[in-house]
Amino acid sequence: LAKTTQPISMDSYEGQEVNITCSHNNIATNDYITWYQQFPSQGPRFIIQGYKTKVTNEVASLFIPADRKSSTLSLPRVSLSDTAVYYCLVGGPPSGGSYIPTFGRGTSLIVHP
Amino acid sequence: EPEVTQTPSHQVTQMGQEVILRCVPISNHLYFYWYRQILGQKVEFLVSFYNNEISEKSEIFDDQFSVERPDGSNFTLKIRSTKLEDSAMYFCASRGIQETQYFGPGTRLLVL
Repeated sequence: LAKTTQPISMDSYEGQEVNITCSHNNIATNDYITWYQQFPSQGPRFIIQGYKTKVTNEVASLFIPADRKSSTLSLPRVSLSDTAVYYCLVGGPPSGGSYIPTFGRGTSLIVHP
Repeated sequence: EPEVTQTPSHQVTQMGQEVILRCVPISNHLYFYWYRQILGQKVEFLVSFYNNEISEKSEIFDDQFSVERPDGSNFTLKIRSTKLEDSAMYFCASRGIQETQYFGPGTRLLVL
């Protein structure tokens, strides 16, 4: 399984854009990059998933450079409710029966008023 | 939006007792999972279940643990003889084909 490295914590302010970068130097050809969000005492919640280039949905964007050795989750105009732990996971393909998300420590994002 | 549900939300038990944690996965999903998260630590994979059998399990999932899909909707995790170190949040997850996993809200288990 590819090992991921992300900052332990980040601080931001309401209305700002937040970019969380994850390193995954030994990502395999079949691996996908998935980001989850977790609030205290709740289950992880899927945010976004990608394989290469850029993916955008209603809550976030995911930027993946050509070498795929890193990825950046971009949260536009964060609010206080975006305060959570964000996990970068590498593995897959997600449709494969043996796909098991492996969670690291994640990045604890605190959004200040 | 369909969601994974879990019961109970909290469970307190005495060491050595058996507990059963229940999950109702999203109805058309085929793959089912249990994870646990000890307070302040990472989410850890326990077991995956597909086609009525265990697909993969971690080292944590020893003989004290078992899973079952007793009917078409429920997916259970049983801990036969709980230990203090089993105290954690237990999350169930499910997914369909070509999808990512959806997690339930968790059951907080406290072993005294």
